[in-house]
Amino acid sequence: QVQLVESGGGVVQPGRSLRLSCAASGFTFNNYGMHWVRQAPGKGLEWVAVISYDGTNKYYADSMKGRFTISRDNSKNTLYLQMNSLRAEDTAVYYCAKDDTYTAILNYWGQGTLVTVSS
Amino acid sequence: EIVLTQSPATLSLSPGERATLSCRASQSVSSYLAWYQQKPGQAPRLLIYHASNRATGIPARFSGSGSGTDFTLTISSLEPEDFAVYYCQQCNNWPPVTFGGGTKVEIK
Repeated sequence: QVQLVESGGGVVQPGRSLRLSCAASGFTFNNYGMHWVRQAPGKGLEWVAVISYDGTNKYYADSMKGRFTISRDNSKNTLYLQMNSLRAEDTAVYYCAKDDTYTAILNYWGQGTLVTVSS
Repeated sequence: EIVLTQSPATLSLSPGERATLSCRASQSVSSYLAWYQQKPGQAPRLLIYHASNRATGIPARFSGSGSGTDFTLTISSLEPEDFAVYYCQQCNNWPPVTFGGGTKVEIK
């Protein structure tokens, strides 16, 4: 069955960096687009970024453009999110999600990893 | 960017009652709208895609309808496990992918 397991979250000071990982299994990883979606405490869902199946196409939410980088290693079935210049407002649970193909239908989600930006 | 507005923010109902949730888009998304369910402490789960298609394993009491700018998620008879937050999401004109603000279905 499809499994997505995020890791790499934690407490980080404002201005510092963090890299999240999402280990995928149970499907042919290199056939699907992948997304990151975040959720601030007590708030709704906010889309972060998407990467195409082969990594050639990447798109970001405006508020994260230039600070966050999505990438993938298809040989390791792993998705990444490099987050730089972190701000307090980046505090959230970060979910990775599998795309149906490359349609933005998010048919499987990981359990999430919490990132807390605080001094 | 397409803005999705969900109403009501909170719906207070009893088990066995019918729930009707609304999602309105700021411009047409054709039928490219999805619904997700999220329970406390859990990840979202895909319920409905393309406005009216149930995802794998989703019970028949969940149904979606609408096209263009107005969409509805209906739960025909609420089960105890259905009390949760529901989000709509457009997948017509992206990026960016956008979500509605959510509707909480709570026990009355």
